[in-house]
Amino acid sequence: EVQLVESGGGLVQPGGSLRVSCAASGFTFSDEYMDWVRQAPGKGLEWVGRIRDKSQRYSTEYAASVKGRFSISRDDSKNSLFLQMNSLKTEDTAVYFCTRDHRGAGESWGQGTLVTVSS
Amino acid sequence: DVVVSQSPLSLPVTLGQPASISCRSSQSLLRSDGKTYLSWFQQRPGQSPRRLIYEVSNRESGVPDRFSASGSGTDFTLKISRVEAEDVGVYYCMQGSRWPGMFGQGTKVEIK
Repeated sequence: EVQLVESGGGLVQPGGSLRVSCAASGFTFSDEYMDWVRQAPGKGLEWVGRIRDKSQRYSTEYAASVKGRFSISRDDSKNSLFLQMNSLKTEDTAVYFCTRDHRGAGESWGQGTLVTVSS
Repeated sequence: DVVVSQSPLSLPVTLGQPASISCRSSQSLLRSDGKTYLSWFQQRPGQSPRRLIYEVSNRESGVPDRFSASGSGTDFTLKISRVEAEDVGVYYCMQGSRWPGMFGQGTKVEIK
């Protein structure tokens, strides 16, 4: 069974940084592209970014709203995905989900981790 | 960027009756490799999203066959043949053919 478990969310001040993690199990993590998607309170879903696999040199893509501030990385030896968020803004407040890209994006989702940016 | 638009945004349905949601993209989602990455997601209240459909019309394992989907190019549809109480929630289409991936605004399905 595929499992994705996010962690590391919390309260951070505007301008601050936070790193959230996703622990994956139940599939060959190193073979898959992985994405981060977020959902602001009471709002819809927004793609944050993607990291490809080793064969694609772990290349990344980011939404315009986070480009230059957020960075996605992975540790295939630990089946883990990371999202480093810098220069956080109040509008970055959201639940952050990691998702598996299998036969297209969003095949599996974690339970999400809440990031609140507030003074 | 490809813009994805859903309609309606709110869909009150009588139990046992059909429901249909439309999704339109601003550009064709057909890629040069012949694939079309249009997916449908269900998000029940308080839960994470769940993918129901991938590549336009393929149901995920465990998804009831009352859910079906179709479409091509820029126009896509999700249908529920007979709505059940457990189908209440928000439904999103999502295009993954062109970066950045984009979700529709969501359609809230509720029981009349």
